[in-house]
Amino acid sequence: VMTQSPDTLSVSPGERATLSCRASQRIYSDLAWYQQKPGQPPRLLIYGASTRAAGVPARFSGSGSGTEFTLTISSLQSEDFAIYYCQQYNDWLLVTFGGGTKVEAK
Amino acid sequence: QVQLQESGPGLVKPSQTLSLTCTVSGGSVSTSGYYWSWVRQHPVRGLEWIGYIYFGGSTYYNPSLESRLSMSVDTSKETSKSRFSLSLSSVTAADSATYYCARGSGSGSYMWYFDTWGQGVVVTVSS
Repeated sequence: VMTQSPDTLSVSPGERATLSCRASQRIYSDLAWYQQKPGQPPRLLIYGASTRAAGVPARFSGSGSGTEFTLTISSLQSEDFAIYYCQQYNDWLLVTFGGGTKVEAK
Repeated sequence: QVQLQESGPGLVKPSQTLSLTCTVSGGSVSTSGYYWSWVRQHPVRGLEWIGYIYFGGSTYYNPSLESRLSMSVDTSKETSKSRFSLSLSSVTAADSATYYCARGSGSGSYMWYFDTWGQGVVVTVSS
């Protein structure tokens, strides 16, 4: 089970945003992060817990291993307001997603 | 650049079979190393992986859906597009969701993450 916190994060543009994802059992670095905006599919941001996908701005960074993971947006831009999901793939027979964190404007 | 597009009915009656197709442009489902997947998104229950099919036709399904699920690949030799399909039988209102097709990256039999997604199709199960 993947648990994300907080459910909602209120941030002003230019500020740092820190999102958390916790796995119920050790998943090493088998974690991805996605961004989803209204009416759009999820977009891959990070895989391997810390590797940015192609075209993802450097302000997005991922860290962690084992059971605790963090997605950090170093200086939030207006286009970053969205819902963020983590996904584990250590159990490749049943990949699972977290419930999401909504990043909204303060 | 590979693009994915879902197609299928937006309304399905309870107990019937939901059938969806994903058309792949700019790539082929016959390419090894990719896992052609379905993911659905419920308004409340969130994102749920349904299953995938990969090179050679092997399939892996979410155990909670496996008894009702079938996936297949269709590669047309006449066009540059290839397709893969999902069939979910005996649907109920709980199967109402936005259904996405997605390309998974991984290695061997292991699918890891989804690097390309279709725009999604909304499916409602209702009489």
